[in-house]
Amino acid sequence: NAGVMQNPRHLVRRRGQEARLRCSPMKGHSHVYWYRQLPEEGLKFMVYLQKENIIDESGMPKERFSAEFPKEGPSILRIQQVVRGDSAAYFCASSPPGRGFYGYTFGSGTRLTVV
Amino acid sequence: DAKTTQPPSMDCAEGRAANLPCNHSTISGNEYVYWYRQIHSQGPQYIIHGLKNNETNEMASLIITEDRKSSTLILPHATLRDTAVYYCIVNTGKLIFGQGTTLQVKP
Repeated sequence: NAGVMQNPRHLVRRRGQEARLRCSPMKGHSHVYWYRQLPEEGLKFMVYLQKENIIDESGMPKERFSAEFPKEGPSILRIQQVVRGDSAAYFCASSPPGRGFYGYTFGSGTRLTVV
Repeated sequence: DAKTTQPPSMDCAEGRAANLPCNHSTISGNEYVYWYRQIHSQGPQYIIHGLKNNETNEMASLIITEDRKSSTLILPHATLRDTAVYYCIVNTGKLIFGQGTTLQVKP
């Protein structure tokens, strides 16, 4: 019974490159949430997706960031033209259909370092 | 913005109960209170949640006041491994994390 799987665990990118972070939700979970945690700070909500739909992207930066959750395959958080300030831990969570009654299950995160 | 207020830090002696308070005075009638914790830089770990009744599981107990404006998470016998940041969250359709309480369990 695998939990939420995120990969890669660590990602190093040079400034200006693209970063792709993947999240496979728990089996039976159709809702995915992305959070960002800057060093020494709390978790910030970024985006909430269901299969093929973005439900709430109120926490997403207006530029360079995008997210998708296709019908097949993992959810992808994409950061274009990365800058040093994008260095952070990115966590994905998933929940069953509904309003998250059972809470979210979080993955172990992807640590992005921009050099 | 988070709908909860928590003390920034607390200490607890190993083996004693840790009582972590949380204020959520603007909570709506159908919104659940969730507790998570984050150990070091790991992914947040679910602890417990409740609506208006007190709840208990193998990890902790959750006491919610009758007016639902505050709650307390109780770790009955804290261990050193319980040292973490504890987040109290009102589920408004998405989980918004505040600053949490850093609990330091001391030998």
